[in-house]
Amino acid sequence: ETGVTQSPTHLIKTRGQQVTLRCSSQSGHNTVSWYQQALGQGPQFIFQYYREEENGRGNFPPRFSGLQFPNYSSELNVNALELDDSALYLCASSRGTQETQYFGPGTRLLVL
Amino acid sequence: RKEVEQDPGPFNVPEGATVAFNCTYSNSASQSFFWYRQDCRKEPKLLMSVYSSGNEDGRFTAQLNRASQYISLLIRDSKLSDSATYLCVVNTGNNNDMRFGAGTRLTVKP
Repeated sequence: ETGVTQSPTHLIKTRGQQVTLRCSSQSGHNTVSWYQQALGQGPQFIFQYYREEENGRGNFPPRFSGLQFPNYSSELNVNALELDDSALYLCASSRGTQETQYFGPGTRLLVL
Repeated sequence: RKEVEQDPGPFNVPEGATVAFNCTYSNSASQSFFWYRQDCRKEPKLLMSVYSSGNEDGRFTAQLNRASQYISLLIRDSKLSDSATYLCVVNTGNNNDMRFGAGTRLTVKP
């Protein structure tokens, strides 16, 4: 296993609600990247955190936000949930911003 | 045009077959390349990095052609356990953005 953990494993929310997903990075890794994977698609890059700062962002609206803590764990927050936000949310940790990424098991979010 | 394109398959092959997957990418400044595999309802797992000179890991061979912006993965002597979706991944170096293809699904049958 990669040593990357995510919580919760599954989550059901309704439109308009807010959600926080959590990720613990592998020991020795200082970078966490978040991805959204819709059914039948490849993961889409949301953003990356390096040493507690956002270090790159994909094409996602501002209602997707994040944090990284001093221990390099991270949170993904999504406000004003929409039905299309239903997906598998993956985090990946790495030793640096350009290094190989190792994925956690993901959080399955269903928005009703 | 998508930044990373893969043949979605599915590829259905018998055990022992050789199968090849192709991937093209649009950003010529892309710096690093990977193949990940993803089992049904699981997270992607790194299969191998792809180096300019090509590289091999057991039954798996990856090749990169920068001039044609093309990556390939060859699997020899397919096993049942190779059944998965194979994701081509390109790091453009911009914005620390790893771009994933939609994946190629492989089913190896007895």
